[in-house]
Order: sequence, then structure tokens, then C-alpha cells
Amino acid sequence: EVQLVESGGGLIQPGGSLRLSCAASGFTVSSNYMSWVRQAPGKGLEWVSVIYSGGSTYYADSVKGRFTISRDNSKNTLYLQMNSLRAEDTAVYYCARDAVTWGQGTLVTVSS
Amino acid sequence: DIVMTQTPLSLSVTPGQPASISCKSSQSLLHSDGKTYLYWYLQKPGQPPQLLIYEVSNRFSGVPDRFSGSGSGTDFTLKISRVEAEDVGVYYCMQSIQLLTFGGGTKVEIK
Repeated sequence: EVQLVESGGGLIQPGGSLRLSCAASGFTVSSNYMSWVRQAPGKGLEWVSVIYSGGSTYYADSVKGRFTISRDNSKNTLYLQMNSLRAEDTAVYYCARDAVTWGQGTLVTVSS
Repeated sequence: DIVMTQTPLSLSVTPGQPASISCKSSQSLLHSDGKTYLYWYLQKPGQPPQLLIYEVSNRFSGVPDRFSGSGSGTDFTLKISRVEAEDVGVYYCMQSIQLLTFGGGTKVEIK
């Protein structure tokens, strides 16, 4: 069964850093394109970042230079390193495989 | 960047009646491989989005046949032939021909 499980969210102060993880099972993260999508409270879906099977990475303008997407093939896990966090980064963060399979999400709250 | 525009913002539908949602993209979603990379999702309260339709008109596994997608190029439509209570939630269209972009969402509720 294809499954994605996010972890690493929590309450963090503005300017802080957090690393989200997305553990995959039932498929290989390196053979698909993997994305991070976020949803601020009461708002719509916002694409954050993508890593393609070949390793190319792309970011939304709102996070460029602050967030880094990566994957560990040996652990079959996707990551999102988030630095210089701002209040507007507060959201549920979902990882998704090929935009087909989604995890349950992990909540990131940036507040002092 | 490709902009996805969904209408209407919300819909109130009587059970058993049809519903239709429009999605327009700022650029063609037709790829040189012949596929059109337009997807439809339903997000129920407290849940992640679930895929309904991929590549314009293909129902995902387990999706009831009352859901159908159509369109081409830049204009797309999701139709529910007979709305049921379990169809409430927010519907999103998404393109993946150039990175990913979501529409703003259409909230569907039951009258």
C-alpha cells in the first residue's frame, strides 16, 4: 500500500528553523516527483516545492532562499528544511507523490 | 507562472441535483506528450485533498461515476451528475505542466 507519513511540525518562533520529514512506503521516492504543499488556516492549497525524479528542485517565490527540499533514497524519505520562518509560514504541510497520493499533513505554527 | 481561476467560489446544491465547477488556466495545459495536466481534488473537512480526476477526464480509482471532468487547453469543468451528502467539501483544480498551481477552491454545501 502506498503511504506517506509527515512529521516534524510544531510551534517555532519567528526566525527559527524546522525540518519536516515525509516517510514513504509502497513506492520509491526517487522514482516519482514529490511535492510539498501547504494550507494556511482557513485558506486554500499552496504549492511550496517539488523535487523531480532526476533531482531537479523548484520553489515557490514565497519560500525561495529559505526552504530546501531533499530526499534520502536509503531511508525512502522526503524532507523540507525550513529556515528563517515567518508567521505567514504557519500552515499544515502536506507531502504528495505525483500529486496523487497525499500524507495527512503536519502542522507548523510560527509564533512568539 | 500559470494562474488557475476557479468559479464559482461556493455552491449550495439540493441532493440529487447536478453541480458544475469551472477552472480556467492562464496558459494551455496541453503538453507535447499529448497529455493535458489538469487535476481535480476534493478536500473534506479535516482531511488532506483526495484525487478525483486526473488528466482532465480520467476518474481516479474508487471515484464514483457521478463525477466527470471535461475540457481542453485552458478551460475545464468538473461535473457532479447527482450531488450526494458525502460530496460536501472544497474542490480544487490543479495544473502540473509547469511546476504546480492550484485554483482558489470551490466550497460545495448541501441545501
